[in-house]
Amino acid sequence: SQQGEEDPQALSIQEGENATMNCSYKTSINNLQWYRQNSGRGLVHLILIRSNEREKHSGRLRVTLDTSKKSSSLLITASRAADTASYFCALRGAGNTGKLIFGQGTTLQVKP
Amino acid sequence: DVKVTQSSRYLVKRTGEKVFLECVQDMDHENMFWYRQDPGLGLRLIYFSYDVKMKEKGDIPEGYSVSREKKERFSLILESASTNQTSMYLCASSPEIPGANVLTFGAGSRLTVL
Repeated sequence: SQQGEEDPQALSIQEGENATMNCSYKTSINNLQWYRQNSGRGLVHLILIRSNEREKHSGRLRVTLDTSKKSSSLLITASRAADTASYFCALRGAGNTGKLIFGQGTTLQVKP
Repeated sequence: DVKVTQSSRYLVKRTGEKVFLECVQDMDHENMFWYRQDPGLGLRLIYFSYDVKMKEKGDIPEGYSVSREKKERFSLILESASTNQTSMYLCASSPEIPGANVLTFGAGSRLTVL
């Protein structure tokens, strides 16, 4: 399976601190995406990074991709209580299929 | 805004019942997906469709079937529900743009099979 493996499974930090989540995978990818899920809801797309990109930013989010190590990280800077959620990486394989395979997620708790 | 609407937010069914989960998207997306989400297992792909009347199995298709008669609608069918199909079911759609195939998710359907 080309499922991403996320680390850590759970993370608890204080408001204002930075949160880093990692995703490792085993196959070649076309792109890698990060999604957020608030409790009991659907997922919301955060950021997409293509296989030929190394870093992308969106507001307080920074994503890096190292295709030689087959890994990606999501950094949330200056976290807020509202960032409390589960975060998932999702992989689109290098083939023609359009499917996305998700990791198991990291649960982030930001304490006020 | 793109909208993906799942017809039922909560369902309770009995073992052996036939269950239909409906999903409709309003942005003319080519791809549609059904995932199930269980604690500790993340999201697992059941089926996806990249065009009308086309479908492909995901990682866990057993016990499920799908129907896509119209581009905007993708239905998940449990022919004979079992208790191990109690789960959160998430529908999603995306355009077919390989470098930009962002998924838009519905709010989810929580199914309990008694």
